[in-house]
Amino acid sequence: DSGVTQTPKHLITATGQRVTLRCSPRSGDLSVYWYQQSLDQGLQFLIQYYNGEERAKGNILERFSAQQFPDLHSELNLSSLELGDSALYFCASSNLGTPNEKLFFGSGTQLSVL
Amino acid sequence: SQQGEEDPQALSIQEGENATMNCSYKTSINNLQWYRQNSGRGLVHLILIRSNEREKHSGRLRVTLDTSKKSSSLLITASRAADTASYFCATDGGTPLVFGKGTRLSVIA
Repeated sequence: DSGVTQTPKHLITATGQRVTLRCSPRSGDLSVYWYQQSLDQGLQFLIQYYNGEERAKGNILERFSAQQFPDLHSELNLSSLELGDSALYFCASSNLGTPNEKLFFGSGTQLSVL
Repeated sequence: SQQGEEDPQALSIQEGENATMNCSYKTSINNLQWYRQNSGRGLVHLILIRSNEREKHSGRLRVTLDTSKKSSSLLITASRAADTASYFCATDGGTPLVFGKGTRLSVIA
């Protein structure tokens, strides 16, 4: 158990809908990362937060947004969903959010857009 | 864009054999990490090697790093069926970790 909690584990929704994925980082970790994993694109970095502030942005679509709350949990909002958004979404956390730290991954949310 | 690229994409070996996976990357790094992912589950950190290190061991794992060639290798010795998983290298390159597409290792009992 990595200590990172993601909910829900599975999500099935229709095109055009909006969903929210939730992540609770490991106790004591200040930084949260979101990654998207699909068969054709591999593991893509979406966005990083550190202590409530956005620190780095990757290949995140404008239809997607995220935030980190004062209690350090994070939410990833996906809107106007398309079939191609179907993927496994991972949250990871680290203590200080620096590149030389190892990441602790949650078990992921499997999103299916039908 | 992908920073690290693993090779081969897939590898199938018999239990007890050694498995070697390679990772190439494009820009300068401070460190390189290897992760394992069991089917459909979260990634688990295996080992981190810094740019000033050439080799590192952890149990049955041996990682090498050649910064002049911008490449790393992960060797799993005496493989077991439980080692069946995908293995990813990740590089920092000044940004949050960027992962390759991984090597799928199958260890046949």
